Amino acid sequence: GQQVMQIPQYQHVQEGEDFTTYCNSSTTLSNIQWYKQRPGGHPVFLIQLVKSGEVKKQKRLTFQFGEAKKNSSLHITATQTTDVGTYFCAGTNQAGTALIFGKGTTLSVSS
Amino acid sequence: DVKVTQSSRYLVKRTGEKVFLECVQDMDHENMFWYRQDPGLGLRLIYFSYDVKMKEKGDIPEGYSVSREKKERFSLILESASTNQTSMYLCASSLGPIMTEAFFGQGTRLTVV
Repeated sequence: GQQVMQIPQYQHVQEGEDFTTYCNSSTTLSNIQWYKQRPGGHPVFLIQLVKSGEVKKQKRLTFQFGEAKKNSSLHITATQTTDVGTYFCAGTNQAGTALIFGKGTTLSVSS
Repeated sequence: DVKVTQSSRYLVKRTGEKVFLECVQDMDHENMFWYRQDPGLGLRLIYFSYDVKMKEKGDIPEGYSVSREKKERFSLILESASTNQTSMYLCASSLGPIMTEAFFGQGTRLTVV
């Protein structure tokens, strides 16, 4: 079945350092979504990318969708303690009716 | 404000019991989903529904069933709970029919003893 792989599984950074998580799919994705889950919380939608090569920014967060629509990345510039949590990418299934999640990258930040 | 509500935050059940997890959304969304979340495994799709009385198997449906009698309510049923079903269960909904932003409930931490 369709799989979405995400690396790294864990990342620890010092506050102010940059952070990147990568997402790869075994099949071409129609779109990709990113979610953030704070410790003890539930996943919250961040963004959706649809177009090949698309780049979107939200303040310190930069999201990219690969040209072949099989990979994506989330980059955080100058991390803050509020960035702590698990970041998930998710692609839609073949029928476009459900989300298939990667295993997530858990970010910890020390001040 | 969008809201997905799961009936219980924490639940402890005995092996062999029939367990019902309830989820209600107030956004008139077409699609509803049940995921389980385990450390190191991320979110895995159990079942989803794109319409009333319609259901589709996800990646790990074994040992589970679902019911969607009304648009706003999607129930996950563990026919005979087992210890390997101890997990965090997350319900989500999205507008549909094409997959858009998913809104998650707060989760139910189920422990089977």
